[in-house]
Amino acid sequence: GQQVMQIPQYQHVQEGEDFTTYCNSSTTLSNIQWYKQRPGGHPVFLIQLVKSGEVKKQKRLTFQFGEAKKNSSLHITATQTTDVGTYFCAQTDSWGKFQFGAGTQVVVTP
Amino acid sequence: GAGVSQSPSNKVTEKGKDVELRCDPISGHTALYWYRQRLGQGLEFLIYFQGNSAPDKSGLPSDRFSAERTGESVSTLTIQRTQQEDSAVYLCASSLRGSGTREQYFGPGTRLTVT
Repeated sequence: GQQVMQIPQYQHVQEGEDFTTYCNSSTTLSNIQWYKQRPGGHPVFLIQLVKSGEVKKQKRLTFQFGEAKKNSSLHITATQTTDVGTYFCAQTDSWGKFQFGAGTQVVVTP
Repeated sequence: GAGVSQSPSNKVTEKGKDVELRCDPISGHTALYWYRQRLGQGLEFLIYFQGNSAPDKSGLPSDRFSAERTGESVSTLTIQRTQQEDSAVYLCASSLRGSGTREQYFGPGTRLTVT
């Protein structure tokens, strides 16, 4: 079945810097979702992208769906310590089954 | 409203014992998922229930693992003859299923420790 690959696996960021994490697929995705899991917590839904080239913003977070709908990115500007956690992308197949990427673990140093 | 709840929150068991984990999804959510998450790792899919359809059990790691769901409500994940490698956080999630895609809502998880 379809698989989504996330890079990088780990991201060390200095507070105040920007970074981007990517989610890639070899096949066309019908949709992509992003989740955030804080240390010791459970994944929490952030956003869903459906349309080709779609861009959505949540404060300092910018989510983008590629034109070919085979990749997505999450860009965080002016990183804060509250951004610490693991960010997962996920897609659903035609049966409604979710498939998660392995996640990008983000560590922020003050 | 109430979110997804799981019980127990923590479970310590001896190797070889059976354990039963419970998940109460959000009311009205037809889809329910179980995942396993080992320390510092990603989400490992275990099983997926969708309404009255046959569950997708493709992620269950061995025949020691089984899960049931009563209608569109509570689900239980049973692990028989537990092994130390079963130690992990077991997460349950539910979602609506209908036109379009619905996000998953996760429970707080059950931390299982096998000694």
